[in-house]
Amino acid sequence: DGGITQSPKYLFRKEGQNVTLSCEQNLNHDAMYWYRQDPGQGLRLIYYSQIVNDFQKGDIAEGYSVSREKKESFPLTVTSAQKNPTAFYLCASSKIAGNYNEQFFGPGTRLTVL
Amino acid sequence: QQQVKQSPQSLIVQKGGISIINCAYENTAFDYFPWYQQFPGKGPALLIAIRPDVSEKKEGRFTISFNKSAKQFSLHIMDSQPGDSATYFCAASQRETSGSRLTFGEGTQLTVNP
Repeated sequence: DGGITQSPKYLFRKEGQNVTLSCEQNLNHDAMYWYRQDPGQGLRLIYYSQIVNDFQKGDIAEGYSVSREKKESFPLTVTSAQKNPTAFYLCASSKIAGNYNEQFFGPGTRLTVL
Repeated sequence: QQQVKQSPQSLIVQKGGISIINCAYENTAFDYFPWYQQFPGKGPALLIAIRPDVSEKKEGRFTISFNKSAKQFSLHIMDSQPGDSATYFCAASQRETSGSRLTFGEGTQLTVNP
């Protein structure tokens, strides 16, 4: 089955620790995205990548880092510099060709800072 | 800067009724307007989308109405069912030199009572 997988589903972190969230897709999509979701605030874009070895900051990139070494993978690292990291993190992917930006989402990772 | 404003924040309708969710945007460069449906603990899923060259698009019980001059678009759910209870997000896409990205509204939590 084609789709997007995120792991782990739940993640707990102590303050001051970096954590990495995994996102893998087998849809052969060129573009991948990371969003943060907080109650009542919709989805906010953290980083996105259109091609391998290239990525762009979104609206709330501070305290986060990403890499895109493979087309299928776009891991997100939440660093200790992120002041309020507890949130639901969503990864998405889309084709680039054409006029549409139809994004497909993974199931999400819920990060809790203890 | 919130470029897509969504209302209402929450909505309660009776089974069989019509659910209406509204969105307004500011950026005239937006060229694609999708709606996503999200169930608790899951990633959003594309429900229906429209381009600005049409004023309405219907798929089953779901209809998007688009008013380009007013920079507004809305989702109508006809014959609402308890299974439609979810959070709905409108979004708008714009193409940039670094690729295209979606900007999401704040979301509407829909409850359909049996």
